[in-house]
Amino acid sequence: AQKVTQAQTEISVVEKEDVTLDCVYETRDTTYYLFWYKQPPSGELVFLIRRNSFDEQNEISGRYSWNFQKSTSSFNFTITASQVVDSAVYFCALSESTLTGNQFYFGTGTSLTVIP
Amino acid sequence: DTEVTQTPKHLVMGMTNKKSLKCEQHMGHRAMYWYKQKAKKPPELMFVYSYEKLSINESVPSRFSPECPNSSLLNLHLHALQPEDSALYLCASSQAGAPYGYTFGSGTRLTVV
Repeated sequence: AQKVTQAQTEISVVEKEDVTLDCVYETRDTTYYLFWYKQPPSGELVFLIRRNSFDEQNEISGRYSWNFQKSTSSFNFTITASQVVDSAVYFCALSESTLTGNQFYFGTGTSLTVIP
Repeated sequence: DTEVTQTPKHLVMGMTNKKSLKCEQHMGHRAMYWYKQKAKKPPELMFVYSYEKLSINESVPSRFSPECPNSSLLNLHLHALQPEDSALYLCASSQAGAPYGYTFGSGTRLTVV
């Protein structure tokens, strides 16, 4: 079973539209971390946010916002007033603790295209 | 210092060459990782080092040889690679046994010709 599911493979929006990227995770741990990364066409993996399992407060950073709901095991990411520079592949990820290090699970990614 | 530094950023090598990728961190993390990423796919775990010992090898071909000479440094030695090994190679580090502080480097873009 997938530990992190990003059901949206590709999304296209017109510039200035809002877009929400979905992420559903699965874990039995009580302590875990959730992440979102952006990977633009240039290739580097850009860290966007880390959220621990005890902090369900939603977070807003400029045009970006994240909605963490433990009840539905979801950690969704919304971009408000999208811009062409937001075009990238976005990965949601889950980190769990193990004795040998952290297990880090990526979703399959959502490719976002913002059309001017 | 909260970074993982990878060198080189780009590498082109022939199938008979021997090269190495380098990864360095000074955050005191005792777990370090190598990932391979193909275009538009998520990174795939290759190796995990915990306290400088190899703890996970995800059935990676022997033409990839990891090395962890000390707690700050992780190398990936490459020999007799194939064109299909062309990919982005990412290094990461974290606290061992704690699910936070997982930090990725910016990667090495490898092209095998």
